[in-house]
Amino acid sequence: GAGVSQSPRYKVTKRGQDVALRCDPISGHVSLYWYRQALGQGPEFLTYFNYEAQQDKSGLPNDRFSAERPEGSISTLTIQRTEQRDSAMYRCASSGGGGYTFGSGTRLTVV
Amino acid sequence: GIQVEQSPPDLILQEGANSTLRCNFSDSVNNLQWFHQNPWGQLINLFYIPSGTKQNGRLSATTVATERYSLLYISSSQTTDSGVYFCAVGTGTYKYIFGTGTRLKVLA
Repeated sequence: GAGVSQSPRYKVTKRGQDVALRCDPISGHVSLYWYRQALGQGPEFLTYFNYEAQQDKSGLPNDRFSAERPEGSISTLTIQRTEQRDSAMYRCASSGGGGYTFGSGTRLTVV
Repeated sequence: GIQVEQSPPDLILQEGANSTLRCNFSDSVNNLQWFHQNPWGQLINLFYIPSGTKQNGRLSATTVATERYSLLYISSSQTTDSGVYFCAVGTGTYKYIFGTGTRLKVLA
């Protein structure tokens, strides 16, 4: 597509539920990134894919967080057994070289 | 790890004024990007500028990599320039470290 598309834009979930956040990168971009942004702070790195390979997942906070990109295009970030501290803006970006383009993000609220 | 400091943390301008935002980083980098987070939360790419100078309309940026800083210039500011400006730096091929941002408010 023309830009990076994320869905849903907003997600409210109850504590303990699983959530799946979707990212559709710019067509042809081989690199895809997930970041998390708490209110009033800058984004923090979660994980990086080169094509379908997850090259770095060092930023994932714990084993409740996982991500995949099975066909080298669309990616899903999954959070299991959500907790209130998971509430944040989750941002996806893609790159074809020369910097990132971010999507509009998913605002996750865990109640 | 690398530290990224942005100044000033907050800035209030009258419409039409000029401003300079600064980003200092503690180690050599090979990627640097400036972003604008608008009041609706979108994070917009302004410049990819690991070195040198670029201009785009009323905005320009300069990175002096050897001295570990980058500057973002905003001229003739408009209310639509309001938001948070982030500098992000990378030492490898992909991962960025973001600064804490400069919060800009432009008054009509």
